[in-house]
Amino acid sequence: QVQLQQWGAGLLKPSETLSLTCAMYGGSFGGFFWSWIRQSPGKGLEWIGDINHRGITNYNPSLKNRVTVSVDTSKNQFSLNLSSVTAADTAVYYCARKIVEIFPLDVWGQGTTVTVS
Amino acid sequence: EIVLTQSPGTLSLSPGERATLSCRASQSVGSNYLAWYQQKPGQAPKLLLYGASTRAAGIPDRFSGSGSGTDFTLSINRLHPEDFGVYFCQHYGSSPWTFGQGTRVEIK
Repeated sequence: QVQLQQWGAGLLKPSETLSLTCAMYGGSFGGFFWSWIRQSPGKGLEWIGDINHRGITNYNPSLKNRVTVSVDTSKNQFSLNLSSVTAADTAVYYCARKIVEIFPLDVWGQGTTVTVS
Repeated sequence: EIVLTQSPGTLSLSPGERATLSCRASQSVGSNYLAWYQQKPGQAPKLLLYGASTRAAGIPDRFSGSGSGTDFTLSINRLHPEDFGVYFCQHYGSSPWTFGQGTRVEIK
């Protein structure tokens, strides 16, 4: 059974860079799309970006100038970097999997609470 | 981008009752690329339905979905205690993928 385990710093200062990593266990990494989503009381669920095993990315235009999603297929991991964070980036961040690009998110990580203060 | 509006905000029901949740899109959702998720406190969302009406693996048949174009419905027949939580719709047909703001189903 596929599981996603995520980790990263939970407390940041304004202007710092948020960095999270998500590792996939128990299944195949190649051939899928890997996503980052965040959830905050003010904005609800917000899609951040996707990447596939070839490193092809798709970002939310609202965050595109600050987001980088990367993949390390040797470790079955993918990562999120969000630069120049502000209090508005405070949220629970989730990693997730999609079977193909046009598909919902069928496996989710446990979530990481990130606070910018 | 497509804006999804869910209603009602909160649904107060008793176990055994039927829940009907609505998700309305600001423009047509192509090919019914509309999904529903359930979220419980402290947990990640869980995929329930996709393609507007196809249940994800392991989802009981008391969960059903319908609709097309801009209006979609999630129905839960005979609510079980474990069905209480927040439900979100999401469109995934065209980027950026967006989510509704959620409907909370609470025990009456």
